[in-house]
Amino acid sequence: DARVTQTPRHKVTEMGQEVTMRCQPILGHNTVFWYRQTMMQGLELLAYFRNRAPLDDSGMPKDRFSAEMPDATLATLKIQPSEPRDSAVYFCASGPRQGLSYTEAFFGQGTRLTVV
Amino acid sequence: GDSVTQMEGPVTLSEEAFLTINCTYTATGYPSLFWYVQYPGEGLQLLLKATKADDKGSNKGFEATYRKETTSFHLEKGSVQVSDSAVYFCALSDRNDYKLSFGAGTTVTVRA
Repeated sequence: DARVTQTPRHKVTEMGQEVTMRCQPILGHNTVFWYRQTMMQGLELLAYFRNRAPLDDSGMPKDRFSAEMPDATLATLKIQPSEPRDSAVYFCASGPRQGLSYTEAFFGQGTRLTVV
Repeated sequence: GDSVTQMEGPVTLSEEAFLTINCTYTATGYPSLFWYVQYPGEGLQLLLKATKADDKGSNKGFEATYRKETTSFHLEKGSVQVSDSAVYFCALSDRNDYKLSFGAGTTVTVRA
């Protein structure tokens, strides 16, 4: 059963520390999204990639966040330095190949980040 | 830019009641429309989708029809169950850049 895998599932860290979240998209999917979910803001799109190239990262605080796809099987989201306001659930999602007229996203179970 | 507006919650219903969650969208082109569901502690799952005007998406007793004239994609279920308690998200995908944009989510609680 193909699924998006995110690690770690939970992370507690101290303010100022670097945090790295990882995502393994479904094999063959070429679109990867990073979302952040909080009670106050709901589901926010941070960045997304197609064929490993960043298409839009305007939702991401540039000074501390970075997103990359070192290869087709791994996407990373880094926060350095982390702040308490970064506490949220971070979701990765992947979508099928270009050629379809829409993007259907399959979500991972998320990384719950707590910055103290 | 493209956006989705959905009915604010929370919504609390009794079992077997009728559920409607309103969703309207703003888009420059002809987007595809989706409903996703999120159960507690889990990621979002696709519930149903529609890719062109007048298409009806359906799954697990839920239905939604893509109405271009009213730019709407309302979710309905005729008889809800306790297991339908979840957060429901309306979303659209722009055909030009494939970005997937979500509404704020509607929390639905069904009581036995």
